[in-house]
Amino acid sequence: KAGVTQTPRYLIKTRGQQVTLSCSPISGHRSVSWYQQTPGQGLQFLFEYFSETQRNKGNFPGRFSGRQFSNSRSEMNVSTLELGDSALYLCASSPDEGSTQYFGPGTRLTVL
Amino acid sequence: GQQLNQSPQSMFIQEGEDVSMNCTSSSIFNTWLWYKQDPGEGPVLLIALYKAGELTSNGRLTAQFGITRKDSFLNISASIPRDVCIYFCAGQGRDDKIIFGKGTRLHILP
Repeated sequence: KAGVTQTPRYLIKTRGQQVTLSCSPISGHRSVSWYQQTPGQGLQFLFEYFSETQRNKGNFPGRFSGRQFSNSRSEMNVSTLELGDSALYLCASSPDEGSTQYFGPGTRLTVL
Repeated sequence: GQQLNQSPQSMFIQEGEDVSMNCTSSSIFNTWLWYKQDPGEGPVLLIALYKAGELTSNGRLTAQFGITRKDSFLNISASIPRDVCIYFCAGQGRDDKIIFGKGTRLHILP
């Protein structure tokens, strides 16, 4: 089975812009979670989607949003980018809510 | 909120030595997970533990779910250069939210 794929792998944006990241889960997995990873804060949970519905949300501002499509693919969007949004954004999929997650390679976002 | 303390933050060891790292929490978890992460890549699941007291091995790696359900450890035996990376623990509570430790960076001295 192919693993979790994320596109793009690398992205450079400037402050104030918006960005959309994409995640394709492992085939048959219905739950997708997003995490932000930075050297200072480690891995922080953004949100989890299951059956096109957001099931859990972390403590991030409303500039961070996401959605899941009927084929379980997911996108996350960050609007009005700030320098502090520079991070590795990781997507993880699991067969169901609450089951073990498998991570993609991440999208490295740099905000200038 | 729930927090995980992972220690040590980094380790410098000689090739062939055994390695031990652990995670502790103030809260009870139902699942403990251990991941490794190479530079520029996402975390890769090494071991998942679902029951208090459970001891599970994956090759040279062994992890245990503490009987208090508030801690877990990971041991690596006979370390090799390929083991160099960051190791993360993660705990999942009753609300299904997963909390990650800050990681243990393993260095192997030549």
